[in-house]
Amino acid sequence: QKEVEQNSGPLSVPEGAIASLNCTYSDRGSQSFFWYRQYSGKSPELIMFIYSNGDKEDGRFTAQLNKASQYVSLLIRDSQPSDSATYLCAVNVGGGGNKLTFGTGTQLKVEL
Amino acid sequence: DAGVIQSPRHEVTEMGQEVTLRCKPISGHDYLFWYRQTMMRGLELLIYFNNNVPIDDSGMPEDRFSAKMPNASFSTLKIQPSEPRDSAVYFCASSLMGAGAQAQHFGDGTRLSIL
Repeated sequence: QKEVEQNSGPLSVPEGAIASLNCTYSDRGSQSFFWYRQYSGKSPELIMFIYSNGDKEDGRFTAQLNKASQYVSLLIRDSQPSDSATYLCAVNVGGGGNKLTFGTGTQLKVEL
Repeated sequence: DAGVIQSPRHEVTEMGQEVTLRCKPISGHDYLFWYRQTMMRGLELLIYFNNNVPIDDSGMPEDRFSAKMPNASFSTLKIQPSEPRDSAVYFCASSLMGAGAQAQHFGDGTRLSIL
């Protein structure tokens, strides 16, 4: 079992819809969770992070964390074509260390 | 403020040659990370430094890979000898605190092709 798993996609949603991206992790000791966006040929950029169970909202983005079920998700409301990218989930596996373990990413396509 | 700066942006070389990738972290950041990204394996952490000291190099694939950070503003990743399977995009990232607390800021990457 991989430490951080994501569905590779592609996930296609129409413009204006809600995109839901999911990520599961294997280490129950993980404390910090991050979502990065990566456009083709570019470097990853941080969208948001979450540490506590529940929801965290930032503009059109909402991160959801459920430690009991070991999953973290990212919702994108009012999806735009410019949101089309690969979304990487990253987990501070082990909790106390400084490393991030990345999932392989979910490709999102927002269609006009 | 300048972001993380990597050089070269692209490198094409023949198998067996030495390759040196360079990184300048964001000023004031005390953590530096080297990653490799491929389609098959995704983004993998190779090694990271804290205050110029290597903390964890468990991701370095083999002895052909080495990394140094002689000062707070410069790091190198060296591959000697290079092999075609080393072809990938190599990213450098830096952060103010440990990965669990602060965002990692990535450079534009070096696209490495070993023929």
